[in-house]
Amino acid sequence: AQTVTQSQPEMSVQEAETVTLSCTYDTSESDYYLFWYKQPPSRQMILVIRQEAYKQQNATENRFSVNFQKAAKSFSLKISDSQLGDAAMYFCASSNTGNQFYFGTGTSLTVIP
Amino acid sequence: KAGVTQTPRYLIKTRGQQVTLSCSPISGHRSVSWYQQTPGQGLQFLFEYFSETQRNKGNFPGRFSGRQFSNSRSEMNVSTLELGDSALYLCASRTAEAYEQYFGPGTRLTVT
Repeated sequence: AQTVTQSQPEMSVQEAETVTLSCTYDTSESDYYLFWYKQPPSRQMILVIRQEAYKQQNATENRFSVNFQKAAKSFSLKISDSQLGDAAMYFCASSNTGNQFYFGTGTSLTVIP
Repeated sequence: KAGVTQTPRYLIKTRGQQVTLSCSPISGHRSVSWYQQTPGQGLQFLFEYFSETQRNKGNFPGRFSGRQFSNSRSEMNVSTLELGDSALYLCASRTAEAYEQYFGPGTRLTVT
């Protein structure tokens, strides 16, 4: 089984500033995928970004980027130029087969105007 | 493309009753997974179906069951409801080739 740990239950950031959400994982698999999902108050989970473990290059999606440290089993999410719409619960997840996802407990992000 | 849809969105049931939740995946997605989300336990995997076959199952009692139809639509059934079954039930779908899942809006089940 895999485990995913998000040690920051809550984070806050000033609008237009940058924030980093932490995630560590534990897996014995050599091939796996990592994801960040966002769940706004409306409850719809939205895929933010994905990273294949075999790729050394960090994934980037517009203002969202990751810092993937495979040896340390760390997968943090950086949000640049934070916007009010970024306020949500963020979940880190891992999957080795795609059949089953393992989720962290989430980080609640508040964006301060 | 339409996203993942779940019906009903809200449901109130009484202890001991049973309930069926429905999930329609994104067109072309053959894999459907179900999750239970609660404040205390977070997101927990229930099961995953692919081409009408259950491929993987989480650590839930046998009261939780599911199935998938030939059009990839899936249903989840919970029998003999308990208060602890109150949760948001999320469905997610993906293609056979990709690993990322796309979630529906969820069904909020309240057991009284």
